[in-house]
Amino acid sequence: QVQLVESGGGVVQPGGSLRLSCAASGFTFSSYGMHWVRQAPGKGLEWVTFMRFDGSNKYYADSVKGRFTISRDNSKNTLYLQMNSLRAEDTAVYYCAKDMDGDYGGDFDYWGQGTLVTVSS
Amino acid sequence: SSELTQDPAVSVALGQTVRITCQGDSLRSYYASWYQQKPGQAPVLVIYGKNNRPSGIPDRFSGSSSGNTASLTITGAQAEDEADYYCNSRDSSGNHLIVIFGGGTKLTVL
Repeated sequence: QVQLVESGGGVVQPGGSLRLSCAASGFTFSSYGMHWVRQAPGKGLEWVTFMRFDGSNKYYADSVKGRFTISRDNSKNTLYLQMNSLRAEDTAVYYCAKDMDGDYGGDFDYWGQGTLVTVSS
Repeated sequence: SSELTQDPAVSVALGQTVRITCQGDSLRSYYASWYQQKPGQAPVLVIYGKNNRPSGIPDRFSGSSSGNTASLTITGAQAEDEADYYCNSRDSSGNHLIVIFGGGTKLTVL
C-alpha cells in the first residue's frame, strides 16, 4: 500500500532553517509528481510547492518563493523541502502529497500524516 | 490573485442530500478536486476530474461543474461524513503553474 512518511519538523527560531523529508513506498516514486501542502493551526490547506517526476520542473507558491526549495532523490524514494529564512507565518503542519500524474495534475491521491513546524522565539 | 471561494459551513440532516460549492475563475479551465478532512487527520481525496471517485470512496459522493462553479454532492449523508471539505484546482500565471485551495467548508450532519 502507498505510504508517505514525513519527518524533520520541530521548533525553530525566526530566520532559521529546517529540512523536511518525505519517505515514499508502495508505488513507483520516480513516475509521479510530488507536492508539499501546509496547514496552519486551525486554518485551511495551502499549497506550497511541486516537483515533476523527474525533477525537471518545480513550482512554488508566492509566499515561499526564494526561501523554500523542493528536491527529490528518486534512488531513495524521498522528497525534501529545504526551508530557509523561516517566519512565524510558516508555522503549520506540512504534508507531502502524491500527484495522480507524473507531470502536473493537481489531484493529490495520497497524503502523508504531516509533520509540524513551529517558528517561534 | 487566483482564489477559490467556499461557504464556511453547511449543515445537513442525516440521510438527506447536501451540495457544497466552490467558485473561482480557474474552474472555467480546470476541474476541481475535493478532499475530506476529519479532525487530526490528513485530507483524503473524494472526487477528481469530471466526476471520478478513488477506490474506496462511497458512491454517495459525486462531483459536477458549471462555468466557474464546482460542486460536491453527498446523497444520503451519513454521520461519518461530518468533516471539513476542501476544493482545489490548478491554475497558471504565465509559465508558472500553481495549485489553489478553497478555504474549506465545515459540514455538520444533524
